Amino acid sequence: AAGVIQSPRHLIKEKRETATLKCYPIPRHDTVYWYQQGPGQDPQFLISFYEKMQSDKGSIPDRFSAQQFSDYHSELNMSSLELGDSALYFCASSLGRGTDTQYFGPGTRLTVL
Amino acid sequence: DQQVKQNSPSLSVQEGRISILNCDYTNSMFDYFLWYKKYPAEGPTFLISISSIKDKNEDGRFTVFLNKSAKHLSLHIVPSQPGDSAVYFCAASARGGGADGLTFGKGTHLIIQP
Repeated sequence: AAGVIQSPRHLIKEKRETATLKCYPIPRHDTVYWYQQGPGQDPQFLISFYEKMQSDKGSIPDRFSAQQFSDYHSELNMSSLELGDSALYFCASSLGRGTDTQYFGPGTRLTVL
Repeated sequence: DQQVKQNSPSLSVQEGRISILNCDYTNSMFDYFLWYKKYPAEGPTFLISISSIKDKNEDGRFTVFLNKSAKHLSLHIVPSQPGDSAVYFCAASARGGGADGLTFGKGTHLIIQP
């Protein structure tokens, strides 16, 4: 069965640079969620989109923005990167907002040097 | 403030025995609970979920029990197999309150010993 696809899987950036992470949800899933997992931490909810509109916001820094496109894929844009942004970034998708289980992608490991 | 707590960072169980992973929560708005399994360098894999209107849900070797009055849930794995060795995350959401994001516990590393 098709799963959530995230790209790139690994990304290395310098401080103050920008990064864009991409997420392709499971086919027919219309809701996308972004999570950040720091070293030794639990995943923290950042933001979600339902039918291309932002539906909920968690602990996403102002330096980050995201959007969902007409094909339901989503991109997380991160600017002015800081060392503390180094983490695993997971995307999850579900069919319907708040009505179904979230299925996670393999994650993008971002390292900020 | 950790709203979902998994107080055992690790648990070691003999192969073939029962594994019991525990989770406590503090937010009474949570109405949907999930367990995820995670291997290193992979995303969390959904295992089983339970709505707050139920007290038990079973799927093969996995059973989740919910005690709303105690704000406690547990995941039972019977019998435990070597492939079950992984980090298990308890997660909760307040779907009735319109919140999308899952709140995770810090995880329990389950080690199945042969």
